[in-house]
Formats: sequence, structure tokens, C-alpha cells
Amino acid sequence: DGGITQSPKYLFRKEGQNVTLSCEQNLNHDAMYWYRQDPGQGLRLIYYSQIVNDFQKGDIAEGYSVSREKKESFPLTVTSAQKNPTAFYLCASTVGHRGYGYTFGSGTRLTVV
Amino acid sequence: KNEVEQSPQNLTAQEGEFITINCSYSVGISALHWLQQHPGGGIVSLFMLSSGKKKHGRLIATINIQEKHSSLHITASHPRDSAVYICAVPSGNEKLTFGTGTRLTIIP
Repeated sequence: DGGITQSPKYLFRKEGQNVTLSCEQNLNHDAMYWYRQDPGQGLRLIYYSQIVNDFQKGDIAEGYSVSREKKESFPLTVTSAQKNPTAFYLCASTVGHRGYGYTFGSGTRLTVV
Repeated sequence: KNEVEQSPQNLTAQEGEFITINCSYSVGISALHWLQQHPGGGIVSLFMLSSGKKKHGRLIATINIQEKHSSLHITASHPRDSAVYICAVPSGNEKLTFGTGTRLTIIP
């Protein structure tokens, strides 16, 4: 079955280390997204990509980087410049028809100690 | 940008009760999503709907496009329904704006 795979489900890192979160989809979706969730807040957009080799900053891109070298993959790197990296990270993809066809990963909970 | 409001923020009910969670948004949309997030954090997509009503087991989602409002109902609620329920709507460039969620606790 097609879907989005985020791994791992839980991730622990030491402060000051970069960490890369994986997001892979086999849905042939063009657009992919990274969202972040903090307690008491709605998920907020970090980065999105509507086509291979192109991506745009979302609302809270500072301290993060992404790449989109393949249609299936959209990894997110949380750099040491991100002041509060501990959060829940959600990857999503869509065929891009005005809100239809959205598929969500199950998320990665990152804890930085 | 689409603004999304969910109510209530927290809801505690006895097992078996009928549950209603509400979602209002500010800008007309093509489709609205309901998601479920369990205590471990994983997110499950429950519904995507653009009009009328959808039903899946004990879950029912309705949407009123004119009123810019959607509701998620749970019939015969069970402790395993305890989770955070989130609605999300499109907000330009296909990205979504999410509500802050409703934390539902069902007591046996």
C-alpha cells in the first residue's frame, strides 16, 4: 500500500548536534511538507516542496534545512541553530489539488537533551 | 491565511456518551481534514470531506460550507477514543492550517 514513512518514531540527540529526519513517500505525490507541533499550538509549516529540486520556506524555517533531490524523499535537518528543537515533526504530501489528496506520516518526536 | 478555531479545547466524558468536536474556519475551502493524534504522538488521518457527511464506524464528520464549520461526532464513546482531534484546512500553495486540537478523555 502507498503511504508516507517517517522514521524513527522517537529520536534523541544531544544539544548542538545536527539531526536529519527522514520522510519517504511512494504515492507519486509532487508536493511534500514538513510541519512542527509544540504543546498547545497547532502544527506550523517549516518547509515545503512542490517539485523536485525546489523548496520554499514556511512560517518557521529558521534553524532548519531541507533537500528534494528525489520525488520520493524530503529529509529535514534540524541544525544546531534551531533554538528549541524539541518538538513533534510531521511530514505530509499531496497531489496538489486544492487540499485534496493529502497524506500524512505518523510523525517523529525529537527530544534534544 | 485561513484561521482555524476548534472547540472545546478539552473534553472529558463518560464511556458511552455522544461526543461532538467543532471546527470553524475563516476562508472558503475545497476540503477539510480531521486527524487523530494518540498520546504517543502518531497522527492518523480520519476524514477528508468537502461537503455533507462522512461516516466511518462510530465516527461521523459533517461540514457546512456556507457556515464555514465542521463537526466531528463520536457515538458510543470508548476509552480508546481518548486522543487529540485536529482539524486542518488548505491555506494557499496547498499547505494546511491546523487547529490547536481538542483533547478528548473518555472515562470508563
